[in-house]
Amino acid sequence: EAQVTQNPRYLITVTGKKLTVTCSQNMNHEYMSWYRQDPGLGLRQIYYSMNVEVTDKGDVPEGYKVSRKEKRNFPLILESPSPNQTSLYFCASSRNPVGPYEQYFGPGTRLTVT
Amino acid sequence: DQQVKQNSPSLSVQEGRISILNCDYTNSMFDYFLWYKKYPAEGPTFLISISSIKDKNEDGRFTVFLNKSAKHLSLHIVPSQPGDSAVYFCAASAKGGRGGSNYKLTFGKGTLLTVNP
Repeated sequence: EAQVTQNPRYLITVTGKKLTVTCSQNMNHEYMSWYRQDPGLGLRQIYYSMNVEVTDKGDVPEGYKVSRKEKRNFPLILESPSPNQTSLYFCASSRNPVGPYEQYFGPGTRLTVT
Repeated sequence: DQQVKQNSPSLSVQEGRISILNCDYTNSMFDYFLWYKKYPAEGPTFLISISSIKDKNEDGRFTVFLNKSAKHLSLHIVPSQPGDSAVYFCAASAKGGRGGSNYKLTFGKGTLLTVNP
């Protein structure tokens, strides 16, 4: 089954404790992206990746890091989480960055930082 | 500055009738538009899309209309079914980033559609 998976689905952590949210897709997609969803703000892009070893900032990259060492994986790293990073996070992938193809989303990771 | 606007937070319709969800945008650089459906505790699911060179795209019960001069698009669902009850997001895409490589999606805030049996 073609899908985007994220882990964990739910996470409660404390300020300053480094964490990683994993994202994996099995569709051989080149393009992957991270979004966060906050009440009243819709989904906003954090980082994106055109292909392996190629990543760039989206609209709200502060406080986040990403890496793309393999085509299928695109982890989101919070080096020192803060309460304002409490949010619902979605990973997405698309088959080719050269073209506005629809993006497929993972199920989401709800993060709470206390 | 909200570039994609869904002004109706919610919409309620009767089963079998037409549902019309509206979306307005401000950025004239947007060249591709998409609708996503989202159920609670799930990620957004792609529904239908339309390129800016078209004014209509149809897929089964779902039709998207684009009025470029008015910067307006709408999603029609006919006939509406209870299983269509979900939050619907309008999204728009434009080339950006380095070398125009980032087809970032800009989302509206969503409209909660409730279809009553």
